[in-house]
Amino acid sequence: EDQVTQSPEALRLQEGESSSLNCSYTVSGLRGLFWYRQDPGKGPEFLFTLYSAGEEKEKERLKATLTKKESFLHITAPKPEDSATYLCAVQASGGSGYSTLTFGKGTMLLVSP
Amino acid sequence: GAVVSQHPSRVICKSGTSVKIECRSLDFQATTMFWYRQFPKQSLMLMATSNEGSKATYEQGVEKDKFLINHASLTLSTLTVTSAHPEDSSFYICSALKGPVNTEAFFGQGTRLTVV
Repeated sequence: EDQVTQSPEALRLQEGESSSLNCSYTVSGLRGLFWYRQDPGKGPEFLFTLYSAGEEKEKERLKATLTKKESFLHITAPKPEDSATYLCAVQASGGSGYSTLTFGKGTMLLVSP
Repeated sequence: GAVVSQHPSRVICKSGTSVKIECRSLDFQATTMFWYRQFPKQSLMLMATSNEGSKATYEQGVEKDKFLINHASLTLSTLTVTSAHPEDSSFYICSALKGPVNTEAFFGQGTRLTVV
């Protein structure tokens, strides 16, 4: 059974204080690892997809990296508007092209001014 | 971009009544849509996969007679919660696939259902 564990559950940062969120996963074969941002009362907003170990992707203050066991979402010099819950999800390989996503519980990030 | 619209965003209903939630892909056609449920501080749990023109595929433990899914067109899927009970109160989210592979699943804004 595919499993995704995110840590920490919650993280409070001061504006400008860089940090990383962790996503550990167990999957039979990884087709893709996804990061989403979710604001309160909203649906997830797509951030990144990573496909293979060693891959990195960046978007503004966010950088996602991937190893064979985990992914990190690095937040550099965060701003209050980066406050949200960050979700990690994995898609297993095999089957049809769109095998379903397994989500972690998310990390709730709060950035104080 | 790819926009998925979900309606309503909030609904309160009485126990025993039915509620319909709509999920529309506004600027693309979606053969496949997914319905999730999310409880507070919990992960999104897949309820069912909805395929246009065919019956939905439900995840284990999800009652198909209680959560009716209809995907009648390439831009619309509906989830009807029948005979709702307070324990059905949750945040329901749909997502739509823009292409044949799940490189980017686009999510609706969610529906907060409260059953009183």
